[in-house]
Formats: sequence, structure tokens, C-alpha cells
Amino acid sequence: GQQLNQSPQSMFIQEGEDVSMNCTSSSIFNTWLWYKQDPGEGPVLLIALYKAGELTSNGRLTAQFGITRKDSFLNISASIPSDVGIYFCAGRSVGSGNTGKLIFGQGTTLQVKP
Amino acid sequence: DAEITQSPRHKITETGRQVTLACHQTWNHNNMFWYRQDLGHGLRLIHYSYGVQDTNKGEVSDGYSVSRSNTEDLPLTLESAASSQTSVYFCASSGSTGELFFGEGSRLTVL
Repeated sequence: GQQLNQSPQSMFIQEGEDVSMNCTSSSIFNTWLWYKQDPGEGPVLLIALYKAGELTSNGRLTAQFGITRKDSFLNISASIPSDVGIYFCAGRSVGSGNTGKLIFGQGTTLQVKP
Repeated sequence: DAEITQSPRHKITETGRQVTLACHQTWNHNNMFWYRQDLGHGLRLIHYSYGVQDTNKGEVSDGYSVSRSNTEDLPLTLESAASSQTSVYFCASSGSTGELFFGEGSRLTVL
């Protein structure tokens, strides 16, 4: 089946540093979503993207829908300890409509050293 | 506020027993999904529903079943629990925007 390649798998950074992670797909997507999961909880939606080239921010988080429609990027600026968690990308392929199944990346585990 | 709730949050059962995990959402979403999350596998889709009386198999549906008798609920049943079904289970729902909202998860241990 379709897969998303999310990288890096894990990051260990110093507080205050910027973070970048990305997802790539073998097929064209019409939706990209980014989620964060804290330990023991369900994933929480951070940013939703619906158009190629779209750049959307949510506080210190910025995500972009790649021009090729096969990739997306998430950046976190000036990281803080509470940014720790697992970040997932998810996408929906063209033709699956607005309500079709999402495909999830494997996740990026972020650890922040105070 | 609208929400999605799962119960129980933690369950320990024995091999061969039937187990049902409940999922209830108050967003009036048509679409509901069940995922399992395991180390090294990320989130894998078990079953999903696009409306009342509609159910569909996901990528790891063997050993699981769902039923959708109303908009709010999509219970997940393990007919005969196996140790391989020890996992964390997440229910999710989405509306017309397609944005998926997750419950807090149910941790199931099968001994």
C-alpha cells in the first residue's frame, strides 16, 4: 500500500534550537496534516494544509505543502521542553476526496535538552 | 465542547476472551476510524465507517469487527483476543474538512 517516508526518525536537540522534519510520498496528495502526540495521549492536530505551496503557521510551528504535492515540511522555531513528543505527518491522496483514509508517516520523536 | 471519548482507558484480558472497546463522539461526524499503535509500526488502520450501517476493513482488520448503529458510536470488538492484539487503540472521527480528531486511546493487554 501507499507509504509516507517521514524523517528524521528521531531528534535530540538543545532548547532554543530550530527543528525541521519532512514527509515524502510516492503519489500526489490533496491534504497534508501534522499531528503531535504526547506520552499516554492521542495525537493532536497541529496544522492542516490543503493547497500546493500553502504555508501555514501555528505559533512557533510552520508547515508547508510542497509544490510537487508529494511532500510536506514542519518547522519548529526556538524549541522548548514542552515540544517533546512524537510528530506525525498524514496525507490524503488525490481521488480519495475530503473524507478518504489518511496515510500516516512513522513519526519523528523529538527530545529537547533544557 | 464537542469531544471523542474512549473506554476503557486500560484493560487486561486473557487470550480467547471477547473484548469490546467503546468510542463515542459528540461532533456529529459521519466518519469514524479505529487505529492501533505499536512500536515500529506507527498508526495502522483497523476498521472505518463513513456513516450509520457502513463499515469497511482497514489494513489490519483480521480478528476485529465494528458496527455502526448510530452516528455517535463505533465500538471495536475483538472476538477472541490474542497476545498479538496487545496494543494501544485509538478511535478518531472526521467531518467535512477531513481533519481527523483522536480520542485519548485504550491500552489493551492480552495475557
